Amino acid sequence: QVQLQESGPGLVKPSQTLSLTCTVSGGSISSNYYYWSWIRQPAGKGLEWIGRIYTSGSTTYNPSLKSRVTISLDTSKNQFSLNLTSVTAADTAVYYCARETVGYNLFFDYWGRGALVTVSS
Amino acid sequence: DIQMTQSPSSVSASVGDRVTITCRASQGISSRLGWYQQKPGKAPKLLLYAASSLQSGVPSRFSGSGYGTDFTLTISSLQPEDFATYSCQQADTFPPTFGGGTKVEIK
Repeated sequence: QVQLQESGPGLVKPSQTLSLTCTVSGGSISSNYYYWSWIRQPAGKGLEWIGRIYTSGSTTYNPSLKSRVTISLDTSKNQFSLNLTSVTAADTAVYYCARETVGYNLFFDYWGRGALVTVSS
Repeated sequence: DIQMTQSPSSVSASVGDRVTITCRASQGISSRLGWYQQKPGKAPKLLLYAASSLQSGVPSRFSGSGYGTDFTLTISSLQPEDFATYSCQQADTFPPTFGGGTKVEIK
């Protein structure tokens, strides 16, 4: 059974960089069958897709965040990571990592439980 | 971006009730719609994809329908474990976008 788990600081200061890691167990992040995404949800609001990465390292980002986002892979640790620069209070949210199976076309079949990140001084 | 609008935002129901949630896309998305269930502190769960295809392991009391801009999620007989928030998501155009969620509460 595939499991995803987010980790990282729960508190980030404004203007700094938010960094989160998703550790994948029960499956290889190097598989050609999957994309790996980050999705967030501010309190009381809907989910927002941030971006995704493929095993080749190819990335696609949400245009609304593209200038501030980097998603990367660490295949040796079976992890992928999110960096979001120049954060503000509007970036306070629960951040999820999720898997998309190739052929499922942007449907996310496995998710982590989420990590709450608060942006505050 | 395609806007996804869900209604109602919340619904109160009893065990055994039939519950229907609606999702509307701001433009046509064919059948490229998914439904997710969220419970506090748990990983979101994919229930249906391609509007009406049941994800593996999901009970058959969940069903979906629709095409183009209007979609529905139906729970035929609400069970205690179904009290949760349900969100729709379009998978037609980048970036994928989600509805605001519908909370199903105990009456």
